[in-house]
Amino acid sequence: DIQMTQSPSTLSASIGDRVSITCRASQGIDTWLAWYQQKPGKAPKLLIYKASNLQSGVPSRFSGRGSGTEFTLTISSLQPDDYAIYYCHQYSTYSRTFGPGTKVEVK
Amino acid sequence: EVQLVESGGGLIQPGGSLRLSCAASGLAVSSNYMSWVRQAPGKALEWVSVFYVGGDTYYADSVKGRFTISRDNAKNTLYLQINRLRVEDTAVYYCARSVVSYGSNEYFDYWGQGTLVTVSS
Repeated sequence: DIQMTQSPSTLSASIGDRVSITCRASQGIDTWLAWYQQKPGKAPKLLIYKASNLQSGVPSRFSGRGSGTEFTLTISSLQPDDYAIYYCHQYSTYSRTFGPGTKVEVK
Repeated sequence: EVQLVESGGGLIQPGGSLRLSCAASGLAVSSNYMSWVRQAPGKALEWVSVFYVGGDTYYADSVKGRFTISRDNAKNTLYLQINRLRVEDTAVYYCARSVVSYGSNEYFDYWGQGTLVTVSS
């Protein structure tokens, strides 16, 4: 099975900061990667699919890039609504695995 | 507007069975790929199962042989039958509309609010 790792596990940031989260796959997954945002007690929300495609309705401050084994989610200017946990998700292989999550918290 | 509403969760003893439901509106389960994803308390998300439009079904290795995904097109509802429950099956179970691209598996664009299954004696 492909293992997904994320770094950092926790990120402390202030409003207006540029924030980047890295997701690494244990083997190449082309660009079959999605990013989700989850707030406490809520369902995940799709942000990015196929590594860099912004889901409809998602603010343009979110962007994704990468291919193969290394991917990045960037928030260009952190807003109060962005404090949450972010998960990457590979859908290249049968196991369809998620990363362990990165918590973005108030600095 | 797409809405997915899960139900059927609860407290169940190890070894027991449960059927989860996901009632859909704003989309037809018969013409969409539909999945179950779970999340143990304080843990990451875990894909569980998917029902393809053509009727094929797939399961995570951790649930294969114990879980069965199905759908009722007339009721526009997706189900997950869970048998031989284990303590480690304790989780919030989400249903999700799944998007498939040629050459890949699915990502998930619409999610329900989830239903909590607690397995404990």
